[in-house]
Amino acid sequence: KAGVTQTPRYLIKTRGQQVTLSCSPISGHRSVSWYQQTPGQGLQFLFEYFSETQRNKGNFPGRFSGRQFSNSRSEMNVSTLELGDSALYLCASSFAGGINTDTQYFGPGTRLTVL
Amino acid sequence: GQQVMQIPQYQHVQEGEDFTTYCNSSTTLSNIQWYKQRPGGHPVFLIQLVKSGEVKKQKRLTFQFGEAKKNSSLHITATQTTDVGTYFCAGTTSGTYKYIFGTGTRLKVLA
Repeated sequence: KAGVTQTPRYLIKTRGQQVTLSCSPISGHRSVSWYQQTPGQGLQFLFEYFSETQRNKGNFPGRFSGRQFSNSRSEMNVSTLELGDSALYLCASSFAGGINTDTQYFGPGTRLTVL
Repeated sequence: GQQVMQIPQYQHVQEGEDFTTYCNSSTTLSNIQWYKQRPGGHPVFLIQLVKSGEVKKQKRLTFQFGEAKKNSSLHITATQTTDVGTYFCAGTTSGTYKYIFGTGTRLKVLA
């Protein structure tokens, strides 16, 4: 089985721009979660989607949004980028996610740099 | 809000020494998972614990889930240079669909 893929792997943007990141989960997985990883804050949960519905959301501003398509692929959008948004953005897929005893499989991440 | 702390933040050991990282949650967890992230890599799932007091072993790694389901530990016996990386615990609470990750413990093994 192919693993979780994320595109692009690296991205450089300037303040005020917006960015869209993509995540393709493992075939058959219906849950996709997004995380932001920074040296100072560690791994922080952004949101989780299951069957095209956002089931849970972390404590991030509304500039961070996401969606999931019928094929379980997910996108994350960040609008009006700020310097502090520079981070590694990771997505993780699992069969059903969360409260079930599911393994999360992480993608390689997208390294976003905001200048 | 829910917090998951890990100690120590950093640990340097000589190859062959043992290593333990501890994970403590402010709330009772439904389950806990452990991940390893190599430098420059992404988190890789190691194991999941669900039952109170559960102990699981994977070769040189021993994982424990506390009786109150609020803490967990990962113990590595006789570390090797391949054990280098950051170890994270991640827990969910009842009724949620999100994992709260611990702050991580970065392990460095000196040959």
